[in-house]
Order: sequence, then structure tokens, then C-alpha cells
Amino acid sequence: GAGVSQSPRYKVTKRGQDVALRCDPISGHVSLYWYRQALGQGPEFLTYFNYEAQQDKSGLPNDRFSAERPEGSISTLTIQRTEQRDSAMYRCASSLGGTGVFNEQFFGPGTRLTVL
Amino acid sequence: LAKTTQPISMDSYEGQEVNITCSHNNIATNDYITWYQQFPSQGPRFIIQGYKTKVTNEVASLFIPADRKSSTLSLPRVSLSDTAVYYCLVGGHATDSWGKLQFGAGTQVVVTP
Repeated sequence: GAGVSQSPRYKVTKRGQDVALRCDPISGHVSLYWYRQALGQGPEFLTYFNYEAQQDKSGLPNDRFSAERPEGSISTLTIQRTEQRDSAMYRCASSLGGTGVFNEQFFGPGTRLTVL
Repeated sequence: LAKTTQPISMDSYEGQEVNITCSHNNIATNDYITWYQQFPSQGPRFIIQGYKTKVTNEVASLFIPADRKSSTLSLPRVSLSDTAVYYCLVGGHATDSWGKLQFGAGTQVVVTP
């Protein structure tokens, strides 16, 4: 079956522009996660959803970052007024979800964002 | 979430066993130990998870001593395709912590012929 997909795979933008990164989770997966990964580092948690509810957004760096998942499936991570320090790989993951049960997270290929 | 410490890199030859030890001195009672693997240009992939003693699957074994302050991921007879970064993560089953996988820098394993 299809895995987690992300689009675009590569995004180059100019400083000050807004960008929207899309994540399409595995069908039926309740939980969806966003991470940011700098070169040579492990993924850094940004936020996650159960269905359409944003459960934790403590990892979002500042108020220029926001995420939504309006229908409990596809999610969009939006970065407003991009800055060069926002350049990174943005990864999305999804899991079956459920309280008290280990949920393996399945990661997508990521979106490489470059802010000039 | 408990902080983890693992070696930055390890080198091995094909066919050898690779053991990566992760320290997690502040592990909580309800924390599990999970390992992910990441190949270049790909997202991380779940390898194995355990709570105590030993867990084995088709890919690896995970050894956890009684005090649970460390764990060792064992990769038997590695091949070139095992070259990757391996992450040790510690977290619990509580709803408020499962979503927040906390990755460190991981261990870069390089396998050479």
C-alpha cells in the first residue's frame, strides 16, 4: 500500500515569502506528526494531530509556523515570512494512533526547504 | 522525556556483529526503549522496541539490563546496506508523550567490505 507522501519534495523560496508543505498520511492512520531535520541531526518534533485535533504544538519554533489537519487526513504545515534559518528537511509521519498502545511512526520522504 | 546518549559513529566490516549502546540514566518506570534507523535521503524507520530483558526480531536484538539505564542494539552479521544512522529513543505509552518522539543525533554506522 501507499506510504506517507509529502509535497513538494523540494521547495526553494525567497526570504519573506510564505510556504505551505503538504503531508498525506497512510490511509486510516489517526495520528500525524511533523518534524524538522537539519543536516547531520536527528528529526526535531514540531507538532502532532490525532484526527483533526492538534494535540501538541510545543515544538513549533515561533508563531510564523502553523499546522492544520481540517478533515483528519491531509495536513498542511505553513511557514509565514520565511527566514533563511527555516531552511531544513521537513518530515511528516503518521501512525495508527490509540491510547496506551505503541504506535510505530511511518515517515514520509520529506520536503527539502531552501530559503534564499 | 528521558535524555539518551549514544556514540556518534561506529565502523564495522561486512559480516560482523555491531552493538550500539545507549545510555538513558533517567528512564522512567513507564518508558519504553525504541530504536529507529535512517538511511541517507530517507525518513527514519522503526527497528525494534523493548521494555526489559531481551527482544529479538528479524532485523535486530535489543538487550536491556535489569536497571534499564542503558540498552544495546545488536545488528547481527551486518552488510553494506546496514550503513545508516541509528537512533535510540525513550518514551512512554502515555497519550501525552507518544506523539513527541525525541531524536538525538544518533549513531552513524558505516559498514565497509
